[in-house]
Amino acid sequence: QVQLVQSGAEVKKPGASVKVSCKASGYSFSKYGLSWVRQAPGQGPEWMGWIASNNGRTDYAPKFQARVTMTTDTSTNTAYMDLSSLKSDDTAVYYCALGWSATTWAFDYWGQGTLVTVSS
Amino acid sequence: EIVLTQSPATLSLSPGERATLLCGASRSVSSSFLAWYQQKPGLAPRLLIYDASRRATGIPDRFSGSGSGTDFTLTISRLEPEDFAVYYCQQYGSSPLTFGGGTKVDIK
Repeated sequence: QVQLVQSGAEVKKPGASVKVSCKASGYSFSKYGLSWVRQAPGQGPEWMGWIASNNGRTDYAPKFQARVTMTTDTSTNTAYMDLSSLKSDDTAVYYCALGWSATTWAFDYWGQGTLVTVSS
Repeated sequence: EIVLTQSPATLSLSPGERATLLCGASRSVSSSFLAWYQQKPGLAPRLLIYDASRRATGIPDRFSGSGSGTDFTLTISRLEPEDFAVYYCQQYGSSPLTFGGGTKVDIK
């Protein structure tokens, strides 16, 4: 069965960077891209971008273009999301998400989420 | 980017009633590339509907989606106790993908 398992919660100071991992299993990792979606407390989800797992091609949302880097490691079936220059309003739960059974862009599998808290 | 506006913000209904949730787009959503999700506290969103009207795997047929262009609807024909949650729409017709602000369906 498809599983996406993310790294644990992080507490960061303003200006720092955070790197969240997402280990995939149960499907052919290189055949499907992964998206990253975040959700601030009490808010709707927000799409950050997508990475093709086979060749590293990315599509970042303009809001995050200057601060986000998404990568994959096909040897370990793991995706990474690095967000720099953190601010307090980056406090959110960060998810990796997979569109698998229907379409790449409607997400039927999600990681469990990683809470990132940005506080001085 | 396409802005999605969901209404109402909160819908107070009783089990067994029909729920109608609306999602309006700031411009036309290409090829009806619109999805609906359900989210319960502390959990990731769960895909219900994609391509505006196709049910995702394992989703009960009391959930249905309709619409095209800029106006979309999620209907829950008869609310079950487990259906009380927050619902989000998402468009994937153009990048960046965007989500609506959500409709909370709570127990009256």
